[in-house]
Amino acid sequence: DADVTQTPRNRITKTGKRIMLECSQTKGHDRMYWYRQDPGLGLRLIYYSFDVKDINKGEISDGYSVSRQAQAKFSLSLESAIPNQTALYFCATRSGSTDTQYFGPGTRLTVL
Amino acid sequence: KNQVEQSPQSLIILEGKNCTLQCNYTVSPFSNLRWYKQDTGRGPVSLKIMTFSENTKSNGRYTATLDADTKQSSLHITASQLSDSASYICVVSAAGNTPLVFGKGTRLSVIA
Repeated sequence: DADVTQTPRNRITKTGKRIMLECSQTKGHDRMYWYRQDPGLGLRLIYYSFDVKDINKGEISDGYSVSRQAQAKFSLSLESAIPNQTALYFCATRSGSTDTQYFGPGTRLTVL
Repeated sequence: KNQVEQSPQSLIILEGKNCTLQCNYTVSPFSNLRWYKQDTGRGPVSLKIMTFSENTKSNGRYTATLDADTKQSSLHITASQLSDSASYICVVSAAGNTPLVFGKGTRLSVIA
C-alpha cells in the first residue's frame, strides 16, 4: 500500500464550486504539506502543518484553506474554485529524522 | 529570499551517454541538499542522495556533488537509460523548522 494517498486522483469542477482534496499517510510523520504544480513553475507551497494544532501558510495560500483532522490526515479546500486553480496538487509528508519528503500520487484538478 | 535555480531547463541525450545537471542555491542557513526524480504525472521521489557541507555522494548511476563555497550542486547520471527520462528537482533544506526550497527542475529526455 502507498504511504501517502490522495483522493480524488482527478476532478473536474465548475467555477464557484467548493472542492476538498484529501490526503492520508501511514508513515507516522508529523509534518505534512500541500503543493501545487503548474507547467514551468515547479512546486509551490500552499500550506503546511507540523502537527494537528499547528497550521502555516505557504507562499500561495490565498483562495485555499486546510484542515488537519489527525496526524495522518490533511485536507485542502478550495472554497470557491476559479479557473487559475487548475493544476496538479500534491500532498507530502516529511521525515523529521532524514529530512526526506514523501509525496502522494497527485490530484489533477480542472476548474472550468 | 531563499531560492534554488536549476540548469538546463531541459536536456535531450542518447541512451548510454552521461549527463550532468546543475543546481545553484541561495538558502540560508543551509542544512542539506537532495535530488528528487519526478516522472510525468507522478509525485517526486527522493534519489536518496543527501549532501551537506562539501562532499560527493552516489546512489547507483547517480552521483551528486556539493560545493558549499560557491553554493552549487551537480547531479551526474552515468550510462543513461530510457527510464531515466524524467524531471530532476534540486531541493534545499534550511536549518530550523522551515519548508524545503524547490528548484523548478530539469526535464531530461533519454532517446534511443
